[in-house]
Parts: sequence; structure tokens; C-alpha cells
Amino acid sequence: GAVVSQHPSWVICKSGTSVKIECRSLDFQATTMFWYRQFPKQSLMLMATSNEGSKATYEQGVEKDKFLINHASLTLSTLTVTSAHPEDSSFYICSARFRGSNQPQHFGDGTRLSIL
Amino acid sequence: GENVEQHPSTLSVQEGDSAVIKCTYSDSASNYFPWYKQELGKGPQLIIDIRSNVGEKKDQRIAVTLNKTAKHFSLHITETQPEDSAVYFCAASLHTGTASKLTFGTGTRLQVTL
Repeated sequence: GAVVSQHPSWVICKSGTSVKIECRSLDFQATTMFWYRQFPKQSLMLMATSNEGSKATYEQGVEKDKFLINHASLTLSTLTVTSAHPEDSSFYICSARFRGSNQPQHFGDGTRLSIL
Repeated sequence: GENVEQHPSTLSVQEGDSAVIKCTYSDSASNYFPWYKQELGKGPQLIIDIRSNVGEKKDQRIAVTLNKTAKHFSLHITETQPEDSAVYFCAASLHTGTASKLTFGTGTRLQVTL
């Protein structure tokens, strides 16, 4: 149980394009989903928290117009990196949490984004 | 906000030996402490967690201990196997309301050698 699927697993695109990453909870309803960024050999940095049906809450220093988050249903959240540039290249990971704040977060397998 | 420190950053043990990873947290209100294992190119996988009303929890070869007074918690892996090699992250959270979020430690790279 508690499977989170993230797609795509790897994407390479040209500078200036927008990239959408999907995060799905396959066997449970996720009222809250989280988006993280991880640089090589570093820890996870929380970018934003999204609750189904409401606007995402972004961490300090994360540009909300750059990283668009949509949590349209209890099983799907998307992260769109708009007008991506080489400095946006990173490993992006989502997590999902079942109803109730005392439930653990379950992570997807991440998306490696490379901007040329 | 919460701050989590994790030690050591790298740990090498021989197969069959035990491994211990330690974390300290700063916010005494934190009440939930999960441990995640991350393999290369994958997302973190929850391996065990503990809540502040419990001092110790065990699941087969893995155990976690929590000392609320000292604000530190530890992961213990016994009878290590090569497949235990990965990066381990501790985290702390105050579980209250939908806004609760995890603060991660800096990670420990565990290498189990034959």
C-alpha cells in the first residue's frame, strides 16, 4: 500500500520550455501533497505544500510563478516548471499524505530534470 | 523553525555488524520522527517512524529510539546486509493541522561491505 507514482522519471528539454511533472497516489486519497527539490548528495528541500482544492503554500525563496502547482484531485498533483533554465536542473520529488496530519508522507521516485 | 542535525555523514560497516545513525532536533514541540532510506536515483522510502509518546520502536532488524528530554533520536540497524547500503535521512515534524511538514536531516551514506 501507499504507492506514489511520479511521471516522467527523466526529462531533458531546451532552455525556455515549460515542463510538467505529475504525482499520483495510486492506492490512497492524498489530501496533502508536497514537492521537494534535491541537489546531488544533499538533503531534500521542501518547495511547496498543496492541499486538494486550494492554492499551494510555497516555502520562502521559491517563486510561485516559476513553479506552478495544481492539486486538482485527491490523487493527482502537478508541478510545472515554467520557462525552465539550466539552473532549474535538479531532482524533483513529490510526496503524498493520507487524510490527517498524523499520517506519514510517502514519496514518489522523483523526476530528474535536465535543461540544456 | 525546526532544525535537524544528523551524524555521521558517512558510515561504513562490515556485513553483519550494526549501524547507528543519530539525529538531534531543536523544536521541543516536534512529535513525529520518521526515517527514510533513499537508494540511488530513487525517492525516499519510509522505513520506520516514531511518535513522541513512545521511547522505542522496533521492526525486525531496524529500531528507533527517542529521547525527548535530550531532543535526539537514533536509528539502529542490526545484522547489516549489502542491500542496506543507501542514504538514510531522519526527519522531524510537528503533526498538527494540514500544514505540518517534515524537516530533514542532512543524510547519512551507509556502506555495508562484504
